[in-house]
Amino acid sequence: GAVVSQHPSRVICKSGTSVKIECRSLDFQATTMFWYRQFPKQSLMLMATSNEGSKATYEQGVEKDKFLINHASLTLSTLTVTSAHPEDSSFYICSARRIGVNGNTIYFGEGSWLTVV
Amino acid sequence: QKEVEQDPGPLSVPEGAIVSLNCTYSNSAFQYFMWYRQYSRKGPELLMYTYSSGNKEDGRFTAQVDKSSKYISLFIRDSQPSDSATYLCAMSGAGGTSYGKLTFGQGTILTVHP
Repeated sequence: GAVVSQHPSRVICKSGTSVKIECRSLDFQATTMFWYRQFPKQSLMLMATSNEGSKATYEQGVEKDKFLINHASLTLSTLTVTSAHPEDSSFYICSARRIGVNGNTIYFGEGSWLTVV
Repeated sequence: QKEVEQDPGPLSVPEGAIVSLNCTYSNSAFQYFMWYRQYSRKGPELLMYTYSSGNKEDGRFTAQVDKSSKYISLFIRDSQPSDSATYLCAMSGAGGTSYGKLTFGQGTILTVHP
């Protein structure tokens, strides 16, 4: 079964409103999670690294005031798209890093489809 | 030039064929190499994971990494229609916060027809 859960899987919002997407690690603690965006027929592009207890690290070109990331606990990171516009419509995917004795593993969530109308 | 180059295809093969998927990269700092499978409108699923150069086999899947050539491959033997999906290569640096920040290829769309 899934080890990283995203919610909601689909969301439609009006232009100008904000929408929050949650990413949860289900059976492990994740001090680090990652947020990606994927436009149709394109690959995943890393937006930011979410760090528990500290500020997120954003990739170049990603507006931190528009894409607010909060890693409030060891199992939850949230991405809030503020003042959403139609061009923000995309597939947003999170991943979580699981640290194990045999190495680290990255698990992806199922993704969240955002449509801004 | 993109850091990771992957032929988007589409690639269409008959059932039972051997599929070869490839990626090239330019960043010599990449140490971890992964292959993901992504079905339409779903999150990526990890298929293979390799550290540094070498080969790794898991069932019908074989991953190869040639760091000297900055070239990685995924082979699928005895391909099945259920293998039809988009295959993404991904890479990461080693150590600390670098690990987990994946740089993806564009993805190759594979169709295996009966």
